[in-house]
Amino acid sequence: DTAVSQTPKYLVTQMGNDKSIKCEQNLGHDTMYWYKQDSKKFLKIMFSYNNKELIINETVPNRFSPKSPDKAHLNLHINSLELGDSAVYFCASSQWNADTQYFGPGTRLTVL
Amino acid sequence: GEDVEQSLFLSVREGDSSVINCTYTDSSSTYLYWYKQEPGAGLQLLTYIFSNMDMKQDQRLTVLLNKKDKHLSLRIADTQTGDSAIYFCAETSNSNSEYALNFGKGTSLLVTP
Repeated sequence: DTAVSQTPKYLVTQMGNDKSIKCEQNLGHDTMYWYKQDSKKFLKIMFSYNNKELIINETVPNRFSPKSPDKAHLNLHINSLELGDSAVYFCASSQWNADTQYFGPGTRLTVL
Repeated sequence: GEDVEQSLFLSVREGDSSVINCTYTDSSSTYLYWYKQEPGAGLQLLTYIFSNMDMKQDQRLTVLLNKKDKHLSLRIADTQTGDSAIYFCAETSNSNSEYALNFGKGTSLLVTP
Protein backbone atom coordinates (compact mmCIF):
# COMPACT_ATOMS: atom_id res chain seq x y z
CA ASP A 1 0.00 0.00 0.00
CA THR A 2 1.40 3.37 -1.00
CA ALA A 3 1.50 5.76 1.95
CA VAL A 4 1.93 9.04 0.05
CA SER A 5 1.11 9.00 -3.64
CA GLN A 6 1.39 11.68 -6.29
CA THR A 7 0.02 11.95 -9.80
CA PRO A 8 1.29 12.31 -12.37
CA LYS A 9 4.83 11.05 -11.99
CA TYR A 10 5.97 12.99 -15.04
CA LEU A 11 4.45 16.11 -16.54
CA VAL A 12 5.73 17.79 -19.70
CA THR A 13 3.97 20.95 -20.81
CA GLN A 14 4.38 24.20 -22.67
CA MET A 15 5.07 27.59 -21.15
CA GLY A 16 1.92 29.48 -20.31
CA ASN A 17 -0.19 26.40 -19.63
CA ASP A 18 -2.01 25.65 -16.37
CA LYS A 19 -1.43 22.28 -14.70
CA SER A 20 -2.24 20.44 -11.48
CA ILE A 21 -0.39 17.87 -9.42
CA LYS A 22 -2.31 15.70 -6.98
CA CYS A 23 -1.20 14.22 -3.69
CA GLU A 24 -2.95 11.73 -1.44
CA GLN A 25 -1.89 10.13 1.82
CA ASN A 26 -3.49 7.14 3.52
CA LEU A 27 -1.61 7.47 6.80
CA GLY A 28 -4.30 9.38 8.65
CA HIS A 29 -2.00 12.39 9.02
CA ASP A 30 -3.36 15.88 9.55
CA THR A 31 -0.52 17.86 7.97
CA MET A 32 0.65 17.87 4.37
CA TYR A 33 3.47 19.69 2.58
CA TRP A 34 4.74 20.58 -0.85
CA TYR A 35 8.49 20.80 -1.46
CA LYS A 36 10.29 21.82 -4.64
CA GLN A 37 13.59 20.25 -5.73
CA ASP A 38 15.36 22.29 -8.39
CA SER A 39 17.83 21.15 -11.02
CA LYS A 40 20.68 21.38 -8.51
CA LYS A 41 18.80 19.02 -6.17
CA PHE A 42 18.12 21.77 -3.66
CA LEU A 43 14.93 21.05 -1.67
CA LYS A 44 12.79 23.83 -0.28
CA ILE A 45 9.43 23.98 1.45
CA MET A 46 6.65 25.66 -0.52
CA PHE A 47 3.44 25.10 1.43
CA SER A 48 2.09 23.32 4.45
CA TYR A 49 -1.50 22.56 5.37
CA ASN A 50 -2.75 21.41 8.75
CA ASN A 51 -6.33 20.16 8.95
CA LYS A 52 -7.01 21.76 5.57
CA GLU A 53 -5.75 25.16 6.75
CA LEU A 54 -2.76 26.86 5.14
CA ILE A 55 0.05 27.06 7.69
CA ILE A 56 3.14 27.80 5.63
CA ASN A 57 3.32 29.80 2.45
CA GLU A 58 6.93 30.47 1.64
CA THR A 59 7.94 33.00 -0.98
CA VAL A 60 6.18 31.21 -3.79
CA PRO A 61 4.65 33.11 -6.74
CA ASN A 62 0.89 33.60 -6.71
CA ARG A 63 0.72 31.38 -9.78
CA PHE A 64 1.03 28.45 -7.37
CA SER A 65 -2.18 27.69 -5.53
CA PRO A 66 -2.48 24.71 -3.20
CA LYS A 67 -5.87 23.26 -2.40
CA SER A 68 -6.74 20.79 0.34
CA PRO A 69 -10.23 19.37 -0.15
CA ASP A 70 -9.76 17.13 2.90
CA LYS A 71 -7.00 16.09 5.27
CA ALA A 72 -5.89 13.25 3.00
CA HIS A 73 -5.37 15.36 -0.11
CA LEU A 74 -3.24 18.34 -1.02
CA ASN A 75 -3.22 19.38 -4.65
CA LEU A 76 -0.99 21.94 -6.31
CA HIS A 77 -2.30 24.02 -9.19
CA ILE A 78 0.13 26.10 -11.22
CA ASN A 79 -1.02 28.84 -13.58
CA SER A 80 0.90 30.33 -16.49
CA LEU A 81 3.79 27.90 -16.24
CA GLU A 82 7.29 29.30 -16.71
CA LEU A 83 10.57 27.62 -17.64
CA GLY A 84 11.84 28.15 -14.08
CA ASP A 85 9.01 26.03 -12.71
CA SER A 86 10.72 22.94 -14.10
CA ALA A 87 11.60 20.88 -11.05
CA VAL A 88 10.63 17.82 -9.07
CA TYR A 89 7.76 18.51 -6.69
CA PHE A 90 7.49 16.36 -3.59
CA CYS A 91 4.46 15.98 -1.41
CA ALA A 92 4.90 14.90 2.22
CA SER A 93 2.68 14.27 5.21
CA SER A 94 2.99 13.99 8.97
CA GLN A 95 1.07 14.36 12.16
CA TRP A 96 1.25 17.94 13.40
CA ASN A 97 4.30 18.44 15.61
CA ALA A 98 5.47 14.90 14.86
CA ASP A 99 9.06 13.99 14.29
CA THR A 100 8.71 12.30 10.89
CA GLN A 101 7.50 13.39 7.48
CA TYR A 102 6.76 10.81 4.83
CA PHE A 103 7.47 11.73 1.24
CA GLY A 104 5.74 10.84 -1.98
CA PRO A 105 7.72 9.65 -5.02
CA GLY A 106 7.79 13.11 -6.61
CA THR A 107 6.40 14.64 -9.79
CA ARG A 108 8.94 15.70 -12.40
CA LEU A 109 7.60 18.79 -14.13
CA THR A 110 9.26 19.91 -17.36
CA VAL A 111 8.20 23.20 -18.91
CA LEU A 112 9.21 23.66 -22.55
CA GLY B 1 16.45 31.51 6.84
CA GLU B 2 18.73 29.28 8.81
CA ASP B 3 21.46 27.41 6.94
CA VAL B 4 22.23 23.73 6.67
CA GLU B 5 25.55 23.03 4.97
CA GLN B 6 27.00 19.82 3.58
CA SER B 7 29.93 18.94 1.39
CA LEU B 8 28.74 18.14 -2.10
CA PHE B 9 30.64 14.96 -2.96
CA LEU B 10 32.14 11.93 -1.27
CA SER B 11 33.73 8.89 -2.88
CA VAL B 12 34.58 5.72 -0.97
CA ARG B 13 35.56 2.16 -1.79
CA GLU B 14 33.15 -0.68 -1.21
CA GLY B 15 33.60 -2.11 2.25
CA ASP B 16 35.02 1.10 3.74
CA SER B 17 33.14 3.37 6.11
CA SER B 18 31.58 6.58 4.81
CA VAL B 19 31.20 9.69 6.92
CA ILE B 20 28.94 12.46 5.68
CA ASN B 21 29.08 15.71 7.59
CA CYS B 22 26.56 18.49 8.08
CA THR B 23 26.58 21.78 9.94
CA TYR B 24 23.60 23.92 10.81
CA THR B 25 23.11 27.36 12.27
CA ASP B 26 19.73 27.18 14.02
CA SER B 27 20.38 26.76 17.73
CA SER B 28 16.71 25.89 18.32
CA SER B 29 16.74 22.86 16.02
CA THR B 30 14.64 20.13 17.57
CA TYR B 31 15.14 17.20 15.23
CA LEU B 32 17.91 16.47 12.75
CA TYR B 33 17.43 14.05 9.90
CA TRP B 34 19.23 12.11 7.24
CA TYR B 35 17.36 11.38 4.03
CA LYS B 36 18.58 9.28 1.10
CA GLN B 37 17.65 9.91 -2.51
CA GLU B 38 18.58 7.37 -5.15
CA PRO B 39 18.70 8.51 -8.80
CA GLY B 40 15.23 9.32 -10.11
CA ALA B 41 13.63 8.30 -6.83
CA GLY B 42 11.93 9.98 -3.91
CA LEU B 43 13.22 10.75 -0.46
CA GLN B 44 13.75 7.93 1.98
CA LEU B 45 14.08 8.75 5.66
CA LEU B 46 17.17 6.91 6.91
CA THR B 47 17.33 8.04 10.48
CA TYR B 48 16.85 11.03 12.73
CA ILE B 49 18.01 12.24 16.09
CA PHE B 50 16.43 14.44 18.71
CA SER B 51 18.53 17.42 19.63
CA ASN B 52 19.07 16.32 23.23
CA MET B 53 20.80 13.13 22.09
CA ASP B 54 24.40 12.87 20.97
CA MET B 55 24.40 9.51 19.24
CA LYS B 56 22.04 7.10 17.59
CA GLN B 57 22.90 3.77 16.01
CA ASP B 58 20.73 1.79 13.63
CA GLN B 59 22.38 -1.26 12.05
CA ARG B 60 25.08 0.11 9.70
CA LEU B 61 24.17 3.72 10.39
CA THR B 62 25.56 5.84 13.21
CA VAL B 63 24.48 9.43 13.72
CA LEU B 64 26.61 11.71 15.87
CA LEU B 65 25.39 15.10 17.02
CA ASN B 66 27.61 17.77 18.51
CA LYS B 67 25.08 20.35 19.60
CA LYS B 68 27.68 22.81 20.84
CA ASP B 69 29.36 22.94 17.42
CA LYS B 70 26.06 22.39 15.56
CA HIS B 71 27.61 19.49 13.71
CA LEU B 72 25.83 16.34 12.59
CA SER B 73 27.42 13.34 10.93
CA LEU B 74 26.22 10.12 9.36
CA ARG B 75 28.55 7.15 9.35
CA ILE B 76 27.75 4.21 7.10
CA ALA B 77 29.71 1.10 8.01
CA ASP B 78 30.74 -1.44 5.36
CA THR B 79 29.55 0.81 2.52
CA GLN B 80 28.02 -1.02 -0.43
CA THR B 81 27.50 0.04 -4.05
CA GLY B 82 23.77 0.22 -3.29
CA ASP B 83 24.52 3.03 -0.86
CA SER B 84 25.46 5.29 -3.78
CA ALA B 85 22.91 8.11 -3.61
CA ILE B 86 22.45 11.69 -2.50
CA TYR B 87 22.23 12.11 1.27
CA PHE B 88 20.36 15.11 2.63
CA CYS B 89 20.77 16.51 6.08
CA ALA B 90 17.67 18.34 7.34
CA GLU B 91 16.44 20.00 10.49
CA THR B 92 13.21 21.22 11.99
CA SER B 93 12.83 23.78 14.69
CA ASN B 94 10.31 26.12 16.16
CA SER B 95 12.10 29.06 14.60
CA ASN B 96 11.59 27.95 11.03
CA SER B 97 8.22 27.61 9.43
CA GLU B 98 6.25 25.39 11.76
CA TYR B 99 8.05 22.07 11.45
CA ALA B 100 8.87 22.31 7.76
CA LEU B 101 12.09 20.52 6.93
CA ASN B 102 15.04 22.76 6.20
CA PHE B 103 17.38 20.81 3.92
CA GLY B 104 21.05 21.00 3.11
CA LYS B 105 22.06 20.80 -0.54
CA GLY B 106 22.85 17.11 -0.34
CA THR B 107 26.04 15.05 -0.47
CA SER B 108 26.47 12.76 -3.47
CA LEU B 109 28.04 9.53 -2.25
CA LEU B 110 29.76 7.39 -4.86
CA VAL B 111 30.78 3.89 -3.82
CA THR B 112 33.33 2.27 -6.09
CA PRO B 113 34.00 -1.50 -6.25
